[in-house]
Amino acid sequence: EPEVTQTPSHQVTQMGQEVILRCVPISNHLYFYWYRQILGQKVEFLVSFYNNEISEKSEIFDDQFSVERPDGSNFTLKIRSTKLEDSAMYFCASSEPRGYNTEAFFGQGTRLTVV
Amino acid sequence: KQEVTQIPAALSVPEGENLVLNCSFTDSAIYNLQWFRQDPGKGLTSLLLIQSSQREQTSGRLNASLDKSSGRSTLYIAASQPGDSATYLCAVQETSGSRLTFGEGTQLTVNP
Repeated sequence: EPEVTQTPSHQVTQMGQEVILRCVPISNHLYFYWYRQILGQKVEFLVSFYNNEISEKSEIFDDQFSVERPDGSNFTLKIRSTKLEDSAMYFCASSEPRGYNTEAFFGQGTRLTVV
Repeated sequence: KQEVTQIPAALSVPEGENLVLNCSFTDSAIYNLQWFRQDPGKGLTSLLLIQSSQREQTSGRLNASLDKSSGRSTLYIAASQPGDSATYLCAVQETSGSRLTFGEGTQLTVNP
């Protein structure tokens, strides 16, 4: 069964460093998303991407964040200068809106620890 | 701004019991509602999606209902098993392809 895959599963980085989180969405999906979940808190939306551009972003998604679809399969989230409060589980998701079927499928997540 | 609330926050039941998890949302103009399961430290597994025009969806022992006008959904789990122990999340989507807004989740423990 097709699935969303994320790498790495766990990344530890020093404060101020840049990190790139990688995702391979399901191949025929059209919408791509990043969410994050700080330990013990709700899953929060960061950004959505459609037709090679950002379609929606939250107030969390400030200038230190960027997304890219560098080729036909990968979708990346870059955090330019990490802060301690960026420590969280980051989830990639994709969906294929076809009619009313907009079911979102999530990857297993990347646990980012900023020290 | 859409807000999603789930009650109860935690639930512990003996194996075999039928149970109901509740989800409410403040803005009834939703496109669909999706229920997920999350195991500790893992990703989100989609369980059921209910479109705004539907009233319920079933998958195996799971049944989800939607009352859009009152801003409520329930997830019914029949004959619970220890393997059902996980956190259950509901999320609403307001337009096709837009963000999901999540509730805090209900942490379910099914005791053997």
